[in-house]
Amino acid sequence: EPEVTQTPSHQVTQMGQEVILRCVPISNHLYFYWYRQILGQKVEFLVSFYNNEISEKSEIFDDQFSVERPDGSNFTLKIRSTKLEDSAMYFCASRPDRGRFISNQPQHFGDGTRLSIL
Amino acid sequence: AQKVTQAQTEISVVEKEDVTLDCVYETRDTTYYLFWYKQPPSGELVFLIRRNSFDEQNEISGRYSWNFQKSTSSFNFTITASQVVDSAVYFCALSEAGNAGGTSYGKLTFGQGTILTVHP
Repeated sequence: EPEVTQTPSHQVTQMGQEVILRCVPISNHLYFYWYRQILGQKVEFLVSFYNNEISEKSEIFDDQFSVERPDGSNFTLKIRSTKLEDSAMYFCASRPDRGRFISNQPQHFGDGTRLSIL
Repeated sequence: AQKVTQAQTEISVVEKEDVTLDCVYETRDTTYYLFWYKQPPSGELVFLIRRNSFDEQNEISGRYSWNFQKSTSSFNFTITASQVVDSAVYFCALSEAGNAGGTSYGKLTFGQGTILTVHP
């Protein structure tokens, strides 16, 4: 069964450094998402991406964050200048395009990247 | 704005007991979708079940069943004859169709999660 893959599984970075988290969504999916989960807390929506542009973003997704689909397969999340509070598990997800009611399709999640900021 | 509340922080049961996880949601949309995801200790998020707002028929799938009640905005999830492998964090999530005047690109709003521990 096709799956969403994320790399690396664990990233350790010094505060203030830039970090790029990588995701390869399922190949025929057209909607892509990033979520984060601070340790012990709920999963929070960051951003959705469709048709090569951001379709929706949360308050968490400030100017330090950006997303990109540099080629036909990768979907990246960049944090420009990391802060201690960026330490979290970051999940990538994708879903297929089923026309108007995309929201009823379950999102398929990757295994996550654990980001640790020192 | 959409909101999901899972009042149970932790539940502990003994194997073979039935367990019900509660979920209450808020939305202004008349069309929306509800999901349950499981997060085992390894950390990944695994899709379990989905329900559409316009279909209140409750179903059973193997050991899983769910009780969707629009009148009380609840979407409870039951595991029958629990097993140790069911130990995980369970998240209820909501996705709006965007028919309350806004747009929706399918983002999920998650509850806080319920930690389920099944003891042998």
